[in-house]
Amino acid sequence: AQSVTQLGSHVSVSEGALVLLRCNYSSSVPPYLFWYVQYPNQGLQLLLKYTSAATLVKGINGFEAEFKKSETSFHLTKPSAHMSDAAEYFCAVSDNFGNEKLTFGTGTRLTIIP
Amino acid sequence: EPEVTQTPSHQVTQMGQEVILRCVPISNHLYFYWYRQILGQKVEFLVSFYNNEISEKSEIFDDQFSVERPDGSNFTLKIRSTKLEDSAMYFCASQARDRGRADTQYFGPGTRLTVL
Repeated sequence: AQSVTQLGSHVSVSEGALVLLRCNYSSSVPPYLFWYVQYPNQGLQLLLKYTSAATLVKGINGFEAEFKKSETSFHLTKPSAHMSDAAEYFCAVSDNFGNEKLTFGTGTRLTIIP
Repeated sequence: EPEVTQTPSHQVTQMGQEVILRCVPISNHLYFYWYRQILGQKVEFLVSFYNNEISEKSEIFDDQFSVERPDGSNFTLKIRSTKLEDSAMYFCASQARDRGRADTQYFGPGTRLTVL
């Protein structure tokens, strides 16, 4: 079975500082990996996805993530945090054998300190 | 930009009552999903639906749950006899599913179900 683990349920960074949200995956097949963001009282919005092409994936709002097979990681980064980045971030995995349900991590709430 | 819509945004019901949650997926999408998120917990897969039948369901999706695409546009989740533990945010998602690549699942804003 596939799974993802997000380290840190809450992360606080200062405005302008680096954002690093951690995600490690477990999968017996090549994984497809996703980061979704959830703003308060809203649905899930895709930030970026890894589909076995480039290992460094760029997404919306200045976010990017790097797939590292040796570390089974897919950490999300942004060089400079903005107040509008405050939200809940979910890492998710799906397999590529035609069954594409998403298995989510427990989420990381990002707080931006002015 | 096309989006997935869900109604109602908030549903309050008494334990034992039936509820129907409605979703309108993006019009040219073929694959549909329901997920739920209990307050403070992670988003969990409930069921996937393609070609008018269930593709996969989780162990959460027991006989109390059913899904339907009654008219080619709506996609509904019915809970026959709600329990307190069914209180959660329910998300609908749709996907075009272009074979050979991981198409994005587009999520609706969710329906918050409160069972009293």
